[in-house]
Amino acid sequence: GAVVSQHPSWVICKSGTSVKIECRSLDFQATTMFWYRQFPKQSLMLMATSNEGSKATYEQGVEKDKFLINHASLTLSTLTVTSAHPEDSSFYICSARDPAGRTDTQYFGPGTRLTVL
Amino acid sequence: AQSVTQLDSQVPVFEEAPVELRCNYSSSVSVYLFWYVQYPNQGLQLLLKYLSGSTLVKSINGFEAEFNKSQTSFHLRKPSVHISDTAEYFCAVSDRNFNKFYFGSGTKLNVKP
Repeated sequence: GAVVSQHPSWVICKSGTSVKIECRSLDFQATTMFWYRQFPKQSLMLMATSNEGSKATYEQGVEKDKFLINHASLTLSTLTVTSAHPEDSSFYICSARDPAGRTDTQYFGPGTRLTVL
Repeated sequence: AQSVTQLDSQVPVFEEAPVELRCNYSSSVSVYLFWYVQYPNQGLQLLLKYLSGSTLVKSINGFEAEFNKSQTSFHLRKPSVHISDTAEYFCAVSDRNFNKFYFGSGTKLNVKP
């Protein structure tokens, strides 16, 4: 089946620094990827939809200047948390759809745990 | 707007016992329904889904879920669980374009020997 990877799996950073998280589709090309965040004991919340070659679409309440998304190729989307603060500590998960496969299925990465000190 | 509620954050159960993980949703429009499973250190994997047709859907490893429109529920059941079923289970709904998925907070199933 389709595989999505994320790197790094966990990261610890100091407050005020920026952190980049990568999401890759390993065996398929994904024109659309999705970014979620999950707080402890809470739901995954969709943050934004990443479209290859165009601007990302952000959900209401998500700061686009803080969470920069770049989908530069058909297999890679990146999420950069800029000027991170402790409240940005969370579990970030990406997913992707395989346009050549089943369009009703999203394939999820294993997630990246971000801790901001 | 859609929302999904999983009331049970943790469900402990003994091996070979039956289990039901509850999921209720609210939506003003028709949605599609999903159950995903997450094993430790792995990504979410699709377990089963309801798109249309028969309201009872089944997975290859013995789980089943029934879409109940009147009760807006999509509970997940298995008549006899195994140790290997220990994982976190997420219920989700999506819009008709499969672009936006709304997830419940997850239920950790802990199967004990």
